[in-house]
Amino acid sequence: QSALTQPASVSGSPGQSITISCTGISSDVGGYNYVSWYQQYPGKAPKLMIYDVSDRPSGVSNRFSGSKSGNTASLTISGLQAEDEADYYCSSYTSSSTVFGGGTKLTVL
Amino acid sequence: EVQLSESGGGLVQPGGSLRLSCAASGFTFSNYAMSWVRQAPGKGLEWVSGISGSGSSTNYADSVEGRFTISRDNSKNTLYLQMNSLRAEDTAVYYCTKQEGYGAVDYWGQGTLVTVSS
Repeated sequence: QSALTQPASVSGSPGQSITISCTGISSDVGGYNYVSWYQQYPGKAPKLMIYDVSDRPSGVSNRFSGSKSGNTASLTISGLQAEDEADYYCSSYTSSSTVFGGGTKLTVL
Repeated sequence: EVQLSESGGGLVQPGGSLRLSCAASGFTFSNYAMSWVRQAPGKGLEWVSGISGSGSSTNYADSVEGRFTISRDNSKNTLYLQMNSLRAEDTAVYYCTKQEGYGAVDYWGQGTLVTVSS
């Protein structure tokens, strides 16, 4: 049950695109198309942004997109906005649990 | 509207016990798997435990296996987490979560803080 690997921080300017990676192993990210991404503001509960690798829940902006290749999943945010500044977490289903990434702090410059 | 409301958090001494409850509403509770996710102060998210809709299947993180027990009462639309032999490293905000599909959490409670300290 080791945590998925995410970069500690990423940054970008308004209007730019950024990508956050999430690396696991064949028994989690690589083995299932069940990767989710969450956005969390300080002091608030996380919010689901992407599920099943690339699906967006109703109400989530289409500026958020997800993909996966092998053992690495990615979250891309296009047209970066100030309100996107937050912590982002990936997670993956496994046969016996759910595993989260360590989190990535996104700074909008 | 889906609502998840946790209760039962607080300050407890190392080695002590605590039971968290989560009252659910706005959806057919018994149809969905539920889980507990925690977040230590200033740290990331950690999945703690999950339970199937019927309650017949449960899973635990290695860090809490043998000390925590997840359960549910579908007649009361309530999820529980019994926490025994608590350690300082169990200090965290504990979130009650509703699962959609395989692993995705589509709703989170507001969280309840558990502090383990002497």
